[in-house]
Amino acid sequence: DSGVTQTPKHLITATGQRVTLRCSPRSGDLSVYWYQQSLDQGLQFLIQYYNGEERAKGNILERFSAQQFPDLHSELNLSSLELGDSALYFCASSPTGLSSGNTIYFGEGSWLTVV
Amino acid sequence: ILNVEQSPQSLHVQEGDSTNFTCSFPSSNFYALHWYRWETAKSPEALFVMTLNGDEKKKGRISATLNTKEGYSYLYIKGSQPEDSATYLCASKNTGNQFYFGTGTSLTVIP
Repeated sequence: DSGVTQTPKHLITATGQRVTLRCSPRSGDLSVYWYQQSLDQGLQFLIQYYNGEERAKGNILERFSAQQFPDLHSELNLSSLELGDSALYFCASSPTGLSSGNTIYFGEGSWLTVV
Repeated sequence: ILNVEQSPQSLHVQEGDSTNFTCSFPSSNFYALHWYRWETAKSPEALFVMTLNGDEKKKGRISATLNTKEGYSYLYIKGSQPEDSATYLCASKNTGNQFYFGTGTSLTVIP
């Protein structure tokens, strides 16, 4: 158990719909990262938050958004869903995120299937 | 073991030195072992995916081996260069399609 909790574990939804994935980081970790693992593209970085503020942005679509709340949990919102958004979405946390080489803790992921 | 464990947690080596680190994973229901090279706030770069016991993979100066019976994989870097500095993550995928990540080994190569 990494200490990073993600909900829901599995989700099936229709195209055009909107879903919210939730992540609770390890206690005390200030940085939260979101990653997308799809079958053909490997692990893709989406976005990072540090202590409530956006720190870095990766290959995140405009239809997707995220936020980190004062209690440090984070949500990833996916809207106007398309079939190609079906993937495993990972959340990870680390203590700081201010320097490279951090120890990073991954959650077990949320499986999203768009039908 | 129930978790994926990596050791050491961090490592500092001189340029030109060779180094290696370990990933231990549950051997039951094993499907694949992934190694990634990760720099903060970037997409981890996939280095290797190995599935069979005894697999050995090589990419330039980096190579990896897999022992599925005892549940470990080694990553080797020959002649380390400063650009090799990164965190090296391993992840074990089981037959239920679940990924379990280690916490990474942070490598710093000193010029």
